[in-house]
Amino acid sequence: SQELEQSPQSLIVQEGKNLTINCTSSKTLYGLYWYKQKYGEGLIFLMMLQKGGEEKSHEKITAKLDEKKQQSSLHITASQPSHAGIYLCGAVLNNAGNMLTFGGGTRLMVKP
Amino acid sequence: KAGVTQTPRYLIKTRGQQVTLSCSPISGHRSVSWYQQTPGQGLQFLFEYFSETQRNKGNFPGRFSGRQFSNSRSEMNVSTLELGDSALYLCASSLVLGTSGSKSYEQYFGPGTRLTVT
Repeated sequence: SQELEQSPQSLIVQEGKNLTINCTSSKTLYGLYWYKQKYGEGLIFLMMLQKGGEEKSHEKITAKLDEKKQQSSLHITASQPSHAGIYLCGAVLNNAGNMLTFGGGTRLMVKP
Repeated sequence: KAGVTQTPRYLIKTRGQQVTLSCSPISGHRSVSWYQQTPGQGLQFLFEYFSETQRNKGNFPGRFSGRQFSNSRSEMNVSTLELGDSALYLCASSLVLGTSGSKSYEQYFGPGTRLTVT
């Protein structure tokens, strides 16, 4: 099984709606990263969380880290077509270095 | 500040050939990591370099190698290319190397090099 599971795998929402993407680890999290990727392009850094209960926001995107559940959630408020893309969570699982293990990604489509 | 740059952006090679990809990290960043992204396997860690030394290595065959120069720029090399090596190769830079028990550091990715092996 995957060490980092993302859900859902894909999501289609109407513009203006809120949505949540989850990322769950089977191992201890030492750092949790959220990225956005347009197809075939590089990863755009969104946020990094590393303390249990930590919550960060950037524009309409909020991410939280639940250390006890080894889980993070990414919440988008009032979605816009510009939010469309693939959202990836990555985590440092081995407590050393910067090696990231990634989830399978969530493909988000926003209908105008 | 300029972001992470990767060259070339696109590359087409033939089976059996070798290829070298280059990554220039954000100015001041000393850690460079390489990842392979394919539709089937997703994003997988290749290796990480810090201060010209390989610090971590993923589960890839020895045909995949890399190095880092004193200015933190990094190159990765793939020898004896196989069709399955076709992928988007991404590099990420970070200010420092995270150490056991310490804080994690933000990691920024480049645009990637799309390698096609025919």
